[in-house]
Amino acid sequence: NAGVTQTPKFQVLKTGQSMTLQCAQDMNHNSMYWYRQDPGMGLRLIYYSASEGTTDKGEVPNGYNVSRLNKREFSLRLESAAPSQTSVYFCASSAVGTNTEAFFGQGTRLTVV
Amino acid sequence: DQQVKQNSPSLSVQEGRISILNCDYTNSMFDYFLWYKKYPAEGPTFLISISSIKDKNEDGRFTVFLNKSAKHLSLHIVPSQPGDSAVYFCAASYDYKLSFGAGTTVTVRA
Repeated sequence: NAGVTQTPKFQVLKTGQSMTLQCAQDMNHNSMYWYRQDPGMGLRLIYYSASEGTTDKGEVPNGYNVSRLNKREFSLRLESAAPSQTSVYFCASSAVGTNTEAFFGQGTRLTVV
Repeated sequence: DQQVKQNSPSLSVQEGRISILNCDYTNSMFDYFLWYKKYPAEGPTFLISISSIKDKNEDGRFTVFLNKSAKHLSLHIVPSQPGDSAVYFCAASYDYKLSFGAGTTVTVRA
């Protein structure tokens, strides 16, 4: 019953450091997403992958890159972390697109100092 | 510019009474609307949804109403229970993109 698994759960980075957030789902879903949640802003879409082999920019893609490694895994990379990227990051997956229920991971709390 | 707005950051309701959460949107291309519930330190979980071709969808204690002409939807929870205390996000879908509101924190008082 794993669903969507994100690692790590917490991370502190120094400005300019890089890191990759990992996400894996075991529900055989086609679509996967990365969101960030900031106070008073709700969740904002960073990147999404409608199906294996495709990725597209969302609402706030600057400073991030993604890789859809296979159907199960979708990673988010910060090449040079900035304090403005301090946030809680959520990975999600859905069977097909966003008109079906999306399942979210538990989140990664990232602090950039 | 936020396309989905939840103008009430918080709502306090007595146990057993009705909770009404409101949501407004600006993009007429949205074709599906969803509500998610979130507890602290957890990811959001799906609650209920409605297609743009319908005006009401009901699932147990939860009912979502859609008024397309007003670009407004609402979530009714009847009766409210202590376990309903959480943050509720309204979301709207179009072309593989899900736009979320800022959320409403619901507190159910005993």
